Amino acid sequence: EAGVVQSPRYKIIEKKQPVAFWCNPISGHNTLYWYRQNLGQGPELLIRYENEEAVDDSQLPKDRFSAERLKGVDSTLKIQPAELGDSAVYLCASSFGGKTGELFFGEGSRLTVL
Amino acid sequence: GESVGLHLPTLSVQEGDNSIINCAYSNSASDYFIWYKQESGKGPQFIIDIRSNMDKRQGQRVTVLLNKTVKHLSLQIAATQPGDSAVYFCAEGYGNNRLAFGKGNQVVVIP
Repeated sequence: EAGVVQSPRYKIIEKKQPVAFWCNPISGHNTLYWYRQNLGQGPELLIRYENEEAVDDSQLPKDRFSAERLKGVDSTLKIQPAELGDSAVYLCASSFGGKTGELFFGEGSRLTVL
Repeated sequence: GESVGLHLPTLSVQEGDNSIINCAYSNSASDYFIWYKQESGKGPQFIIDIRSNMDKRQGQRVTVLLNKTVKHLSLQIAATQPGDSAVYFCAEGYGNNRLAFGKGNQVVVIP
């Protein structure tokens, strides 16, 4: 069974440029999460989807970050414009079931903003 | 120069010995706890979980202990192997399916 797939694995951009990350969750998983992980820190939730609905986006910096999951399957996370402090690993995870259960993470997209 | 947060608490353990990793959580309303393992360049991987109505749960070579009185969680790894070298995170679940990760602990297994 394929795991959570993310792309790109690595992205280097200059500040003020836009960037987008893509995630395909495990088939059948209705819950999708985007996390940001800074070096040496634990992942921090940006947004959580139940099917196509964003049910928790309180930690998403909405001035520059946006996300969508139009058909309730794959998802994109966009940053526009990127800032130096956005350099981090962006992790996507998925799970099945309403109650917080076992999250399956992708390998992440490492963003470097110069 | 070095970045703040780059230095993780590190546990160095001899191969074959037991490892104990500790975690203090902050939210007394948390009712679900998970340990994750993260190898370099990979996403976190689920190891074991425990509900707040339990104080101990065992898996294959791993045991999680929960002390709600002092808000403390620990992960014990029996007969530590080189493949156990990784960063370990505890996470607490609370509220509307929210999951908050703690700071990581680096485990280095010495062959």
